[in-house]
Amino acid sequence: AAGVIQSPRHLIKEKRETATLKCYPIPRHDTVYWYQQGPGQDPQFLISFYEKMQSDKGSIPDRFSAQQFSDYHSELNMSSLELGDSALYFCASSLRGLGDNYGYTFGSGTRLTVV
Amino acid sequence: SQQGEEDPQALSIQEGENATMNCSYKTSINNLQWYRQNSGRGLVHLILIRSNEREKHSGRLRVTLDTSKKSSSLLITASRAADTASYFCATVGSGNTGKLIFGQGTTLQVKP
Repeated sequence: AAGVIQSPRHLIKEKRETATLKCYPIPRHDTVYWYQQGPGQDPQFLISFYEKMQSDKGSIPDRFSAQQFSDYHSELNMSSLELGDSALYFCASSLRGLGDNYGYTFGSGTRLTVV
Repeated sequence: SQQGEEDPQALSIQEGENATMNCSYKTSINNLQWYRQNSGRGLVHLILIRSNEREKHSGRLRVTLDTSKKSSSLLITASRAADTASYFCATVGSGNTGKLIFGQGTTLQVKP
């Protein structure tokens, strides 16, 4: 069965550079959630989209932006990178309301290292 | 943590023993979910319990929920070395958009 695909798996950037992370949800899923997990930390909700519109926003820095496209894939754009942005970035997808009843499927994550 | 505490933060047991992890949360919830994470890997959904349920079983997993105390526990019976991982509880709040609020996680080591 198709899962949530994230790319790239690993990314190394220098301070002040820009990074773009991509998430391809499970086919027919209309909702995408982004999470950030720092070293030894719990995952923190960043932002979510439903039917290409932002549906919720968490502790996402102003330097970050995201969108969901017509094919439901989502991209997280991160500018002016800081050392503290080094983390695992996960996305999860769901058919609206389904995750509430059956849990969410997560991608394998993108490990971003800022040097 | 955005949500609350999990305890213990680390647990080391022998294969065959049972492992119990606890989780507390702060807000009213729609449901509570448990996830497993192998080192540096993705999160895998284990089990979901709704706010009107008190106990649920899935294979070697048993989860309980006490909404009056805003707490949950995950019991893994007859543990195996392959159960070694970090375990997170996460809640979906009432009336929100489905986002998960995670607890701090318990690192479980099962020694063969």
